[in-house]
Amino acid sequence: ETGVTQSPTHLIKTRGQQVTLRCSSQSGHNTVSWYQQALGQGPQFIFQYYREEENGRGNFPPRFSGLQFPNYSSELNVNALELDDSALYLCASSLKGRDEQYFGPGTRLTVT
Amino acid sequence: QQQVKQSPQSLIVQKGGISIINCAYENTAFDYFPWYQQFPGKGPALLIAIRPDVSEKKEGRFTISFNKSAKQFSLHIMDSQPGDSATYFCAANGNSGYSTLTFGKGTMLLVSP
Repeated sequence: ETGVTQSPTHLIKTRGQQVTLRCSSQSGHNTVSWYQQALGQGPQFIFQYYREEENGRGNFPPRFSGLQFPNYSSELNVNALELDDSALYLCASSLKGRDEQYFGPGTRLTVT
Repeated sequence: QQQVKQSPQSLIVQKGGISIINCAYENTAFDYFPWYQQFPGKGPALLIAIRPDVSEKKEGRFTISFNKSAKQFSLHIMDSQPGDSATYFCAANGNSGYSTLTFGKGTMLLVSP
């Protein structure tokens, strides 16, 4: 176990709705990255947070947004959900300046 | 543009055999190459990683071979066991300013008893 926790485990939403996913990083880690993993694919980088600011972003539209809190936990928010947003959302924690990233168990989002 | 290409897509190996998964990358700025293991319903778990300044790294039954000139690296699982049956992802990291992983599409490994 990595010590990275995510909630909820599963979520079902309707197209057009908004969703918030949560992540608690491993103790001592100050950086959180979010990834989207579609079925049968590798994870794709969404964005990274460090010191409560977005520190880098992948090829995802602005309706994907996030937050990081002083205790390094993080939220991923997705507005105007689309069917293609159905995926496993993973958060990974790391220490700034180190390459190793440790993933949580993920949140399975289904958009109907 | 797929920056990390992984093969094969699936692999069946007999218990005790050697599993070999290959990856090729395009971006010469990449400088960290991890392998992750993922079981169904779980997040990816960091297995082993290598940097381009070494050609091989071994941890237990897992070995990474790295060929910088060919921009290729591979994972070898010696004495494969049924418990190794999982999906394996190679990845690469090297963006300046922040650390982000670019993943391959994964290899589903089945080790038959």
